[in-house]
Amino acid sequence: TQLLEQSPQFLSIQEGENLTVYCNSSSVFSSLQWYRQEPGEGPVLLVTVVTGGEVKKLKRLTFQFGDARKDSSLHITAAQPGDTGLYLCAGVSGSGYALNFGKGTSLLVTP
Amino acid sequence: NAGVTQTPKFQVLKTGQSMTLQCAQDMNHNSMYWYRQDPGMGLRLIYYSASEGTTDKGEVPNGYNVSRLNKREFSLRLESAAPSQTSVYFCASSEGRGSSYNEQFFGPGTRLTVL
Repeated sequence: TQLLEQSPQFLSIQEGENLTVYCNSSSVFSSLQWYRQEPGEGPVLLVTVVTGGEVKKLKRLTFQFGDARKDSSLHITAAQPGDTGLYLCAGVSGSGYALNFGKGTSLLVTP
Repeated sequence: NAGVTQTPKFQVLKTGQSMTLQCAQDMNHNSMYWYRQDPGMGLRLIYYSASEGTTDKGEVPNGYNVSRLNKREFSLRLESAAPSQTSVYFCASSEGRGSSYNEQFFGPGTRLTVL
């Protein structure tokens, strides 16, 4: 059972465009993390959101945690080729300990 | 700091052969993890070690064994490799239960092909 559903699965855009990717679940998460993975490398943590409704910004990336803590979104403004990669959301649900990962959104930004 | 290191980076095995994937972290983290990543399947947890001296099964443990050698090192062993174990394997570490969010730091991965 996939606890976290990410959409879209693939996204190809041109440099300068804006985009939003989504991470949805029917479960409540105590916190939710976003990672970026570049080809041939391991995932790297971008941000952790904790409070329902929380918004965090990392340069051109804006992360939002849903009010009910069941979903999250990542918005990228004026995408650049360096943003290319696989974006993964992950969270711990209930009283669990291990992270549950979504399958990811693969983003390609072309010049 | 090197962070999380993994060896080897690439490996080709024949069906039935055995091998051990090595992982080490220098961040004094309590918890360590092994994942596999397959196209269309995302990251799936194989085994984890919440603290030194403990190991627990994850989502896909069959065909694997692990050893938490000490606080720094966590190895993954394939006793009799099968083609279904062709994958990219990632080791990760985190501070552990004392940390609220289980934020994880990943190694660069081992690309394993089983023929």
